[in-house]
Amino acid sequence: QKEVEQDPGPLSVPEGAIVSLNCTYSNSAFQYFMWYRQYSRKGPELLMYTYSSGNKEDGRFTAQVDKSSKYISLFIRDSQPSDSATYLCAMSRGGGNKLTFGTGTQLKVEL
Amino acid sequence: EPEVTQTPSHQVTQMGQEVILRCVPISNHLYFYWYRQILGQKVEFLVSFYNNEISEKSEIFDDQFSVERPDGSNFTLKIRSTKLEDSAMYFCASSERQGSHNEQFFGPGTRLTVL
Repeated sequence: QKEVEQDPGPLSVPEGAIVSLNCTYSNSAFQYFMWYRQYSRKGPELLMYTYSSGNKEDGRFTAQVDKSSKYISLFIRDSQPSDSATYLCAMSRGGGNKLTFGTGTQLKVEL
Repeated sequence: EPEVTQTPSHQVTQMGQEVILRCVPISNHLYFYWYRQILGQKVEFLVSFYNNEISEKSEIFDDQFSVERPDGSNFTLKIRSTKLEDSAMYFCASSERQGSHNEQFFGPGTRLTVL
C-alpha cells in the first residue's frame, strides 16, 4: 500500500462548479497536511496548511482532515479557469520533517 | 512577499559531470530541503538540513549527492557524477519551525537534463 494515494485524474469541470479533491494515507504518524498547486513545470505553490484534524477555510478553498479515516480533502468553490493546474496533497510527521506527496490530481476548469 | 529562489532555471550537462544547484531560502527560515520530480512522477524528498547538518535523507540521496550551506543565505545541492536518471526538476524548499508551523515553501525549480 502506498503511503499517500491520490487519484491522478484528469478531472474536468465547468466553470463555477464545486471541485472535490481527495487523498488517503496509511501512516498514522502524519500530523501536518498541506495542499499545493502546481502549474506545468513550475514549483509547488502552497495553498492550504492544516495541523491535525478539522477544517480550514481560505476564500474559495476549504481543507478538511479526518485522521480517524486517514482521509483529507480540498474543496474549491466557484471554480475558475485559472484554477486549472495539478493539485498535490502532502503530509509530514512533524515540524521540520520531510513531506510525503501524493501523485497529484490534474484539474481542468472549462469555460 | 518573501520567496525561495533557485538558479539556474535549466541546467544541461553530460553524464559523469558534476553539477551544483543553488537555492536562496526565505531569510528567517531554519529548515531547508531538496526534492526532485522526474517528469510525470510525484515529488520525492531527497534531504533536509537544519543547524548546518543533514537531519534526514532518503534512499535516493546516496554518496553522489551532497548539500552545503556555504554562507548565511545560499543552500546548494551537488551531484558529483551525474547519471541519465538524475534528469528531473529539483526543488528547494524552506520552512520556519516555530511551534506547529511547518509550512514548506518551494522555489521555482531547476530543470536538470543529463545527456
